[in-house]
Amino acid sequence: EVQLVESGGSLVQPGRSLSLSCTASGFTFGDYAMSWFRQAPGKGLEWVGFIRSEAYGGTTEYAASVKGRFTISRDDSKSIAYLQMSSLKTEDTAVYYCTRDSVGTFDPWGQGTLVTVSS
Amino acid sequence: QSALTQPASLSGSPGQSITISCTGTSSDVGGYNYVSWYQHHPGKAPKLLIYDVSKRPSGVSYRFSGSKSGNTASLTISGLQAEDEADYYCSSYTSSGRVFGGGTKLTVL
Repeated sequence: EVQLVESGGSLVQPGRSLSLSCTASGFTFGDYAMSWFRQAPGKGLEWVGFIRSEAYGGTTEYAASVKGRFTISRDDSKSIAYLQMSSLKTEDTAVYYCTRDSVGTFDPWGQGTLVTVSS
Repeated sequence: QSALTQPASLSGSPGQSITISCTGTSSDVGGYNYVSWYQHHPGKAPKLLIYDVSKRPSGVSYRFSGSKSGNTASLTISGLQAEDEADYYCSSYTSSGRVFGGGTKLTVL
């Protein structure tokens, strides 16, 4: 069964950093790009960014709202994608989801991990 | 990248058909046949409904169908059921990343 599990969400103060993990199973992780999304309270889903597979250079793209503060990386040997978030703001409070990305088709999705940015 | 434009909300009665539109540009929706649609029930993981404009993954009901004309993609739900009440999102591939819709809240009356 193809499965994604996010972890690392917690309560963090504004300005601090936090790293999320997305552990994959049931497919050849290295063959796929991986995307991160978030959903703030009362808001819609927002695409955060993605990382291409190593076959495509392992390069990354980000939404304007997080560019320069968030970094996506991957460890294909462990089948894990990471979302490193720095200079966190209260508006970064959200449930964060990871998803397998195949030319912009996102499937499956994890259950999400909650990040709360508050003093 | 600007978000794809969807109606904020729609409603329909059981048994009816509804269509959700998703408008982008020639750089995303109009330029590629990589439009997908997702259903999201609060508290659950989003679910892929349609990919590559009109393809339906295994296990997704035939009541969901997708199409595209120019820069606008559409998701049609036929035979509306109570469990279809959810948020729906469209997405498109772009050469520089991904672009997502703002979401449509579907209410089944």
